[in-house]
Amino acid sequence: RKEVEQDPGPFNVPEGATVAFNCTYSNSASQSFFWYRQDCRKEPKLLMSVYSSGNEDGRFTAQLNRASQYISLLIRDSKLSDSATYLCVVNGQAGTALIFGKGTTLSVSS
Amino acid sequence: IAGITQAPTSQILAAGRRMTLRCTQDMRHNAMYWYRQDLGLGLRLIHYSNTAGTTGKGEVPDGYSVSRANTDDFPLTLASAVPSQTSVYFCASSAGEVLSHTDTQYFGPGTRLTVL
Repeated sequence: RKEVEQDPGPFNVPEGATVAFNCTYSNSASQSFFWYRQDCRKEPKLLMSVYSSGNEDGRFTAQLNRASQYISLLIRDSKLSDSATYLCVVNGQAGTALIFGKGTTLSVSS
Repeated sequence: IAGITQAPTSQILAAGRRMTLRCTQDMRHNAMYWYRQDLGLGLRLIHYSNTAGTTGKGEVPDGYSVSRANTDDFPLTLASAVPSQTSVYFCASSAGEVLSHTDTQYFGPGTRLTVL
């Protein structure tokens, strides 16, 4: 089982739609979870951290289920500018850096 | 404030040549990282540095070396480039040390390297 798995998509949705991405991780000892966003041929940028109780930032909601080792990202009222690849990121085993999923591609159309 | 800069932006290199990718950050971050990103494989860690003077191996270190002589600079060297090293290389930094795992990583704009 890969350390961080995501559905690669692409997810093609109209403007205004709600879309959810899922991610599973293999290391039950992981403590830190993030969603990064990457635009085409650009560097990844932090979208939001994921906290145990779940957290919301505007139209974006992140959830963590430690028992199932599952992370989700919900985007409400999708905008054209949300089109990007979303990377699920989890900290690795002690002494290593972050582990990145391969990403889920979202395309929002008018 | 520039954040993280990388040079060159892109490079075409003959196999067997030596190449150094440069990375400089002006945020006084302790930790720095080098990743490569390949289609279908995602971001993979090559080497990292917790603080100036120390370095460590990541997931795919073979064929690469790094040094961390000071806080700001973290160059990545390909001693003898091979075509499989064709990739996009991203440098990143974070305020804390690698072991903290909780710091935001800031990425540079990347270097697109083609080895022929």
